[in-house]
Amino acid sequence: GDSVTQMEGPVTLSEEAFLTINCTYTATGYPSLFWYVQYPGEGLQLLLKATKADDKGSNKGFEATYRKETTSFHLEKGSVQVSDSAVYFCALDDNTSGTYKYIFGTGTRLKVLA
Amino acid sequence: EPEVTQTPSHQVTQMGQEVILRCVPISNHLYFYWYRQILGQKVEFLVSFYNNEISEKSEIFDDQFSVERPDGSNFTLKIRSTKLEDSAMYFCASSGANIQYFGAGTRLSVL
Repeated sequence: GDSVTQMEGPVTLSEEAFLTINCTYTATGYPSLFWYVQYPGEGLQLLLKATKADDKGSNKGFEATYRKETTSFHLEKGSVQVSDSAVYFCALDDNTSGTYKYIFGTGTRLKVLA
Repeated sequence: EPEVTQTPSHQVTQMGQEVILRCVPISNHLYFYWYRQILGQKVEFLVSFYNNEISEKSEIFDDQFSVERPDGSNFTLKIRSTKLEDSAMYFCASSGANIQYFGAGTRLSVL
């Protein structure tokens, strides 16, 4: 079945450092891809999405490009802030059964130090 | 901004007891989901619900689990007889199209 693989965390960076969190996927169809963020004590919030190959999703300085040739959707940010500290989840929607259920990666915890 | 709300935020129960986790989805959404996350593991799909019936369920969603939309606003997950391994964070989600909006989760602790 479909699956998502994320890099293991935690990732610890200094403020203003460059961030990359790797995400690769396997899918039988043509899923949409998502990054969700979970701040402490809160739910999963949509950060950005891409619906087809070569689409770039972006929000709050974060970007990710849907790369069909490498089956990847890596999350990047040029300059992280302390407030970006959270857990980041890569996900795809699986519509093989008509329900668009999400398949998530394991999540990557990011800690940004001042 | 509309949001999905879940109650309670933390539920502690004894093994073998029944629990009901409650969710209020976004009001004009038609698709509803439950996911769970055991500590340190992936967020896993449990069940999807559309048009007042289950549209898909995972292998995890066995006969001990049930879902219901008892009125026009609530969406509940019932675990009939809890086991230690049911301890997890349970997330409710709803969608109107292909973007799912998640609640803050209910942490279930089975003792």
